[in-house]
Amino acid sequence: SQQGEEDPQALSIQEGENATMNCSYKTSINNLQWYRQNSGRGLVHLILIRSNEREKHSGRLRVTLDTSKKSSSLLITASRAADTASYFCVEPANSGYALNFGKGTSLLVTP
Amino acid sequence: DTEVTQTPKHLVMGMTNKKSLKCEQHMGHRAMYWYKQKAKKPPELMFVYSYEKLSINESVPSRFSPECPNSSLLNLHLHALQPEDSALYLCASSQEGVGLGTGELFFGEGSRLTVL
Repeated sequence: SQQGEEDPQALSIQEGENATMNCSYKTSINNLQWYRQNSGRGLVHLILIRSNEREKHSGRLRVTLDTSKKSSSLLITASRAADTASYFCVEPANSGYALNFGKGTSLLVTP
Repeated sequence: DTEVTQTPKHLVMGMTNKKSLKCEQHMGHRAMYWYKQKAKKPPELMFVYSYEKLSINESVPSRFSPECPNSSLLNLHLHALQPEDSALYLCASSQEGVGLGTGELFFGEGSRLTVL
């Protein structure tokens, strides 16, 4: 299976705190993507980082990529209750036509 | 318009029924996908259409039959399903095949299927 692993599987923090999620992937990638899914809803693309990038920012999100360790991290700063969701790191499949989703981190932000 | 629209939002069907899930996008995307997601699990790829041709079938049972009538529409025909097929079925599209290039997927809200 190409499925990557997120760590931790579940994370509970209070509003205003930072949340860090880690991802290990398996293939040699050209890019890695992160998606968010609110409970029982569709997924929303958050950010894409290319293999020649080490860090990327988008608003309160910061993503890092270490291709030597095949790992990535997603940092959400100053979290809000609305950030409560599952977060998936996603790598291109070997087929070249689709994305494989990691197992996800479930984030709970309490007021 | 950056939406992927899925209908119906909820579907309950018996094991002998025939039903269809529908997906539509008007972003000019050339690849469309069906994913299946069980509770507390990541989405699992079922089918990929690229330029209206089936590119990937991830060994999905024949009781699921995809159809891409045109570049904007994607259907999933359901027949003789089992209770374990109950899941959230997600449709997605991307500008081109995802693979090695940039490849943001745009997802619909999903169709929640219950098989009795």
